[in-house]
Amino acid sequence: DQQVKQNSPSLSVQEGRISILNCDYTNSMFDYFLWYKKYPAEGPTFLISISSIKDKNEDGRFTVFLNKSAKHLSLHIVPSQPGDSAVYFCAASEGQGGSEKLVFGKGMKLTVNP
Amino acid sequence: DVKVTQSSRYLVKRTGEKVFLECVQDMDHENMFWYRQDPGLGLRLIYFSYDVKMKEKGDIPEGYSVSREKKERFSLILESASTNQTSMYLCASFRDRGFSPLHFGNGTRLTVT
Repeated sequence: DQQVKQNSPSLSVQEGRISILNCDYTNSMFDYFLWYKKYPAEGPTFLISISSIKDKNEDGRFTVFLNKSAKHLSLHIVPSQPGDSAVYFCAASEGQGGSEKLVFGKGMKLTVNP
Repeated sequence: DVKVTQSSRYLVKRTGEKVFLECVQDMDHENMFWYRQDPGLGLRLIYFSYDVKMKEKGDIPEGYSVSREKKERFSLILESASTNQTSMYLCASFRDRGFSPLHFGNGTRLTVT
């Protein structure tokens, strides 16, 4: 049973516009959520996180929103740039924000067109 | 800056061979992980270790074993490689104090023929 779901496998947006990447989860015990970005032939790199005590966290062009009642989070990238083109993974964990036993979604490929 | 180094970027092995994938981190992290990434399946945890000589099975440990003799090194072993173990293997680590995200290596693309 997939606990973290990224239902759209890909997204294509124009440079300068907003990219919205969605993630749903089923385990109500998850209390920490992270987004990772992965370029081809490289390992994933940590992008941004949010704990369940917050509903929004912002870092530059990247904002993550958490809706606990809907078990849904989203990553907003504004404005989108061609260098943002990558695969994005949503991940979740239990237990006060540790990275132990992170559960990852299947990933979504974002393409930002110049 | 944290560095997680995987010794090989690409490996080609034959079915039945014993395969060693090596990972070293330079930040004194207690916790180390091995994942595999496959298209449409995302990242799946094979094994992890939270201390030297300690290991825990992840979600897909069958066909794999691990070794952690030193804190900085975590090895993944394919006892008898099979074609369904063709994949991208990713090593990761994080430290135990406070919030710390996983830091990943650049991966090893293993092909088993």
